[in-house]
Amino acid sequence: AQSVTQLDSQVPVFEEAPVELRCNYSSSVSVYLFWYVQYPNQGLQLLLKYLSGSTLVESINGFEAEFNKSQTSFHLRKPSVHISDTAEYFCAVSNTGFQKLVFGTGTRLLVSP
Amino acid sequence: DGGITQSPKYLFRKEGQNVTLSCEQNLNHDAMYWYRQDPGQGLRLIYYSQIVNDFQKGDIAEGYSVSREKKESFPLTVTSAQKNPTAFYLCASSEPRGAGELFFGEGSRLTVL
Repeated sequence: AQSVTQLDSQVPVFEEAPVELRCNYSSSVSVYLFWYVQYPNQGLQLLLKYLSGSTLVESINGFEAEFNKSQTSFHLRKPSVHISDTAEYFCAVSNTGFQKLVFGTGTRLLVSP
Repeated sequence: DGGITQSPKYLFRKEGQNVTLSCEQNLNHDAMYWYRQDPGQGLRLIYYSQIVNDFQKGDIAEGYSVSREKKESFPLTVTSAQKNPTAFYLCASSEPRGAGELFFGEGSRLTVL
């Protein structure tokens, strides 16, 4: 069975500093990988996804994630965070044969001035 | 605009009462899902439906029931058999032959007093 591990439950960072949110997955088959963002009392929004091709994927608001098959990782990075990036971030995986997503437990990003 | 509508946003009920959460989508998606979110536990799948008049149990189906009589609608009933129903409930949908990417509603927060 697939699983997703987000080791950091909370990551505090100062505004304009870089950040990395870690995600590791376990799967014996090819996968699709996703990062979702959730603002307080709202649903989840897709931030970026890896389906195939280039292992580096980017979002429109400056986040990027790199698929590393050998390390089974899909870490999320941003070179300079804003206060507005404060939210909870979920990593998710699905295998290429069936669409049911498996989510990690989430990482709360806290950006302070 | 296409999307998923969940109602009500907030719901309070007394212990022992059944409650039904509404989920409607106009994305023309075949598959729909219900997740439960608790602090520190990420998202856990309750039920999912890949087609009208068919649905399957997820990881934590006990104490919940669903129906899928129309493509657009996937209501969730939290029964009195659910031992700890206070949570944030998220409905989602996906394209039938996509990569598993989920589109989420805004969520319903149920508090049992």
